[in-house]
Amino acid sequence: KAGVTQTPRYLIKTRGQQVTLSCSPISGHRSVSWYQQTPGQGLQFLFEYFSETQRNKGNFPGRFSGRQFSNSRSEMNVSTLELGDSALYLCASSLRGAAYEQYFGPGTRLTVT
Amino acid sequence: EDQVTQSPEALRLQEGESSSLNCSYTVSGLRGLFWYRQDPGKGPEFLFTLYSAGEEKEKERLKATLTKKESFLHITAPKPEDSATYLCAVQAGTGNQFYFGTGTSLTVIP
Repeated sequence: KAGVTQTPRYLIKTRGQQVTLSCSPISGHRSVSWYQQTPGQGLQFLFEYFSETQRNKGNFPGRFSGRQFSNSRSEMNVSTLELGDSALYLCASSLRGAAYEQYFGPGTRLTVT
Repeated sequence: EDQVTQSPEALRLQEGESSSLNCSYTVSGLRGLFWYRQDPGKGPEFLFTLYSAGEEKEKERLKATLTKKESFLHITAPKPEDSATYLCAVQAGTGNQFYFGTGTSLTVIP
């Protein structure tokens, strides 16, 4: 079956702009989690959505937000981009939730200039 | 402060040379500990979840164990295709947050 897909794969934005990233989970999975990966901080948890409800949230500022649609597809939005937001953004889907087996997508590489 | 520490940062093994990777954690209210494998340019691949001290799980050449303070990923007779970065994560706290270690980069030399 098809894996987790993320679009776009690469993105270049200017400081101050906003960006929306998209994640399509594996068919039947109701949980989508988002992570930020940088060389300095490693992988950091952003938030998890399950059946359109945010279930868990990491320690990121309010500029980072997300939502999940009724078909389980999820979007993540970052407003007022900062240089430090440059990272690989990964989403993962799970049948039962992030506390169980998760399948990661290939990520979206965001560069903020 | 909740923290996950992995050691060593990098490990080079000869093919067939067994070893262990360590993940130590200081968190309150552990809900689960996770091991992932990540290849360059790809997202992490799930390996194991461990929920309580004393639990062990195996998959091919890999075996994960959990104590109250740390987890080990034992690699038996590794092959070059086992070369990757191995990540450890825990879910803990009242907010069920996830905390990741910085990973162990494993290279297996033929």
